[in-house]
Amino acid sequence: KNEVEQSPQNLTAQEGEFITINCSYSVGISALHWLQQHPGGGIVSLFMLSSGKKKHGRLIATINIQEKHSSLHITASHPRDSAVYICAVSQGGSEKLVFGKGTKLTVNP
Amino acid sequence: ETGVTQTPRHLVMGMTNKKSLKCEQHLGHNAMYWYKQSAKKPLELMFVYSLEERVENNSVPSRFSPECPNSSHLFLHLHTLQPEDSALYLCASSEDLIPRETQYFGPGTRLLVL
Repeated sequence: KNEVEQSPQNLTAQEGEFITINCSYSVGISALHWLQQHPGGGIVSLFMLSSGKKKHGRLIATINIQEKHSSLHITASHPRDSAVYICAVSQGGSEKLVFGKGTKLTVNP
Repeated sequence: ETGVTQTPRHLVMGMTNKKSLKCEQHLGHNAMYWYKQSAKKPLELMFVYSLEERVENNSVPSRFSPECPNSSHLFLHLHTLQPEDSALYLCASSEDLIPRETQYFGPGTRLLVL
């Protein structure tokens, strides 16, 4: 069992829909990262958070440390949001990131 | 554009070839990383360098040989690879080797081993 689990694995939405991607982890962490990977491979860091909530444009990330769970929300989704969204955690005092398998999001016009 | 570049973007090689992947970061960061991303699997950390010294070798076969000549450049030398080594190889950098640092990723090199 992977230490970082994401759901769903695949998600298809219509433009304008509100989207939620979930991440659960089983280890103690110092921070949780949400990353976006576009077709072709490039990865962009969206958020790094260790508590509470962060917002950037139409993206919102929340984390519940007690429940070991984080969510990434996209409001008013757009086809350009289509990508793979990856959750990763930094464990304790380690510089390693442990990655989930990713959620493939497709937003249709 | 994240400030981390990788070349080549695509590479096809035979099992007897020797090739090198190059990563360059223009961010003034002190830590650099090599990751492997295989189909339907999470990213796997391969190597970590901090201030040009290797600090992590994540049980990677010796057919992969990293080199970090300075804090801006990172190479991955490849020799006698296997078809199962076909994957996307991603380079990343961060300001320092601290767990809560954001890592900046390059676009990756898509490698096919025939």
